[in-house]
Amino acid sequence: NAGVMQNPRHLVRRRGQEARLRCSPMKGHSHVYWYRQLPEEGLKFMVYLQKENIIDESGMPKERFSAEFPKEGPSILRIQQVVRGDSAAYFCASSPDGNANTEAFFGQGTRLTVV
Amino acid sequence: DQQVKQNSPSLSVQEGRISILNCDYTNSMFDYFLWYKKYPAEGPTFLISISSIKDKNEDGRFTVFLNKSAKHLSLHIVPSQPGDSAVYFCAAHSQGSNYKLTFGKGTLLTVNP
Repeated sequence: NAGVMQNPRHLVRRRGQEARLRCSPMKGHSHVYWYRQLPEEGLKFMVYLQKENIIDESGMPKERFSAEFPKEGPSILRIQQVVRGDSAAYFCASSPDGNANTEAFFGQGTRLTVV
Repeated sequence: DQQVKQNSPSLSVQEGRISILNCDYTNSMFDYFLWYKKYPAEGPTFLISISSIKDKNEDGRFTVFLNKSAKHLSLHIVPSQPGDSAVYFCAAHSQGSNYKLTFGKGTLLTVNP
């Protein structure tokens, strides 16, 4: 049973480019969460999605960031016009329901470096 | 504002001894607490959790204690093993947002052989 799959593992972008981060949840999981970890910090909640719905995006920066979880395919976190401050590790987690008590499973993360 | 605080960035213990990792929180709405373990270049892995209606939960070598009045929890690992060396994150969520975890900054545990 494959775990949460994130790709790419490492992504380098120049300032102003777009970054697309992908997350395939565990089989049977329809709830996806994105977290960001800045250097020397803990993980910070960004967005919670179910299939075709954004449930809570209270942790998303107001501009340049968007997320989707289409009916088919992986969840995508998109960052437009990246800046150096976007450099971080982005983790995706999934769960069978929208309850962190059920121990959401995390992927290995995508490390974004903006140069 | 940091609602979950892990004030010790690092901890070093000898193999076989007890490791005690501490966590404080400020948000009285938190009602569920989790500990995650993270190796370099990997995602966090769930370790153990505790509900606010309990004060202790045990799973093998790992025990979590919760002191609600002090808004403090701790993770005890005994006996510690070199494979326990990792970053440990304390996390919490509230009943109204039980999908949203608030994490501390983590404590790097090193268990020396």
